[in-house]
Amino acid sequence: DQQVKQNSPSLSVQEGRISILNCDYTNSMFDYFLWYKKYPAEGPTFLISISSIKDKNEDGRFTVFLNKSAKHLSLHIVPSQPGDSAVYFCAASYNTDKLIFGTGTRLQVFP
Amino acid sequence: EAQVTQNPRYLITVTGKKLTVTCSQNMNHEYMSWYRQDPGLGLRQIYYSMNVEVTDKGDVPEGYKVSRKEKRNFPLILESPSPNQTSLYFCASRIGTGGMYEQYFGPGTRLTVT
Repeated sequence: DQQVKQNSPSLSVQEGRISILNCDYTNSMFDYFLWYKKYPAEGPTFLISISSIKDKNEDGRFTVFLNKSAKHLSLHIVPSQPGDSAVYFCAASYNTDKLIFGTGTRLQVFP
Repeated sequence: EAQVTQNPRYLITVTGKKLTVTCSQNMNHEYMSWYRQDPGLGLRQIYYSMNVEVTDKGDVPEGYKVSRKEKRNFPLILESPSPNQTSLYFCASRIGTGGMYEQYFGPGTRLTVT
């Protein structure tokens, strides 16, 4: 049973436009949500997180939105840059020691 | 430089031949974890350790063993590898338990079992 779902395997966006990556979850006990970015031949790197008590967190060009009633979070990248091309994983945490990852969305930003 | 290192980066082996993938972190982190990444399945946790001599199963522990004798090292052991363990493996560490803490990942080990 996939508790964290990323239903779009890929997304293509023009440079300068907004990229919106989506993530749905099923477990209402999740208390933290995180986004990781992964380039080929490298390990994932942390991008941004949000606590379940908030509905928005912003860090430069990256904003994460959390809609608890819909069990949905999204990552907005504005403006998108070619260097943002990577695979993005959302992850959710509960009971402190488990981190459940989604299947990933491959973002391609073209000129 | 703060980092998580894994060795080897690439490994091709045969069914049944025991192997160990090493993982080491230089950040004095208490929490360490192993994941495998498979197409369409994302990252799945194999084992984790909250401190020295404290380990527990993740979501896909079958066929794997771990040990945590020192804080910095967390090796992954495959006693009798099988082809379904062909995967990309990542070691990760973070300063403590709790979802608010950022996890640092190693560069990955691509394992092929024939």
